Amino acid sequence: NAGVTQTPKFQVLKTGQSMTLQCAQDMNHEYMSWYRQDPGMGLRLIHYSVGAGITDQGEVPNGYNVSRSTTEDFPLRLLSAAPSQTSVYFCASNSGTVGNTQYFGPGTRLTVL
Amino acid sequence: GENVEQHPSTLSVQEGDSAVIKCTYSDSASNYFPWYKQELGKGPQLIIDIRSNVGEKKDQRIAVTLNKTAKHFSLHITETQPEDSAVYFCAASPDNYGQNFVFGPGTRLSVLP
Repeated sequence: NAGVTQTPKFQVLKTGQSMTLQCAQDMNHEYMSWYRQDPGMGLRLIHYSVGAGITDQGEVPNGYNVSRSTTEDFPLRLLSAAPSQTSVYFCASNSGTVGNTQYFGPGTRLTVL
Repeated sequence: GENVEQHPSTLSVQEGDSAVIKCTYSDSASNYFPWYKQELGKGPQLIIDIRSNVGEKKDQRIAVTLNKTAKHFSLHITETQPEDSAVYFCAASPDNYGQNFVFGPGTRLSVLP
């Protein structure tokens, strides 16, 4: 199993550009999430999904869109990038059963100029 | 909503000594408390977790204690080794399924040889 994979690893955008951060998992997990990590603030939940076709907002959803058309994939879209979105983004998945482990991807470092 | 505080923000110990990291949470509904270790350039990795019906859990050199009345939980690492150097995050979640985590800001642990 590859676990949770994310692409790209690094990305530089100009203000106003759009892009999609890709996330995929091969563990057949129902639950998938996107977090952003900023210095001194831990990880903050952006959006999450409890299964294909179902998404919901987390703590900091503004400026981001998600969709979940398959169990495996959970892309994060930035519609109009802003410097405040400069961060490291982590995708995570878990099976959604009691006692499960949450697995994180390796992260995408995004810089918005 | 839930708020998680974590102390200290940085911690340096001599190899072989013990390290203790403490977290407090605000929402009495939280009942799942994982600890993650994040090495440089990688995603967080679960190292131990505890649920509200348990007061203490141990896994080799790592232990976690939970005081639900006081709303705090702690990570204890004994016989520290250089490979324990990393950033450690605590988190709290109101469900057993590992969704909707709120993370603490992290503790950077340095184990000095």
